[in-house]
Amino acid sequence: GQQVQQSPTSLVLQEGENAELQCNFSTSLNSMQWFYQRPGGSLISVFYNPSGTKQSGRLTSTTVIKERRSSLHISSSQITDSGTYLCAMATNTGKLTFGDGTVLTVKP
Amino acid sequence: EAAVTQSPRNKVAVTGGKVTLSCNQTNNHNNMYWYRQDTGHGLRLIHYSYGAGSTEKGDIPDGYKASRPSQENFSLILELATPSQTSVYFCASGDPDRGTEVFFGKGTRLTVV
Repeated sequence: GQQVQQSPTSLVLQEGENAELQCNFSTSLNSMQWFYQRPGGSLISVFYNPSGTKQSGRLTSTTVIKERRSSLHISSSQITDSGTYLCAMATNTGKLTFGDGTVLTVKP
Repeated sequence: EAAVTQSPRNKVAVTGGKVTLSCNQTNNHNNMYWYRQDTGHGLRLIHYSYGAGSTEKGDIPDGYKASRPSQENFSLILELATPSQTSVYFCASGDPDRGTEVFFGKGTRLTVV
């Protein structure tokens, strides 16, 4: 089975609405990281979050390692937030495995 | 800012030919990774490395070899390229097991004809 499960698969918002993206892990992990990707683009690190809550502007990430889950909250979404958000888990040997991503579309 | 540089950025290869994708990082990270990204499959790990001289098989290693001659360089080698290996390939470096985030290169678009 897939080690990293992301939900939802896709999400459509009106500009200004909030979004909650989830990531669940089926095995023990050492750390996790959230990435953002535009179509045809590379992966940009959003949060490296081994545990706890981190905030950067309108984005907040919360990771609970013992429960094998992480969330990414986007407040007051903007059109420029559109793209794919991927989460990845790292084992204690450094192997990094990705989920399939959440495609976010923010409409005006 | 952490830097991961991939070359070439685009490549067209013939079936049966040899292809080498190169990756260089200036972050002094121990771990380096090679992924491919295809529509419908997300990012899949091909090979990774813990440091110079080491290579480890990822989740889809068949048809690929890797080489890590130094801390800075990590290559992905397709000895006999096939059309099914047409994809976008990403290299990354980072030590997420040691408290350091992972950074990605800009990707290489490979087309095998």
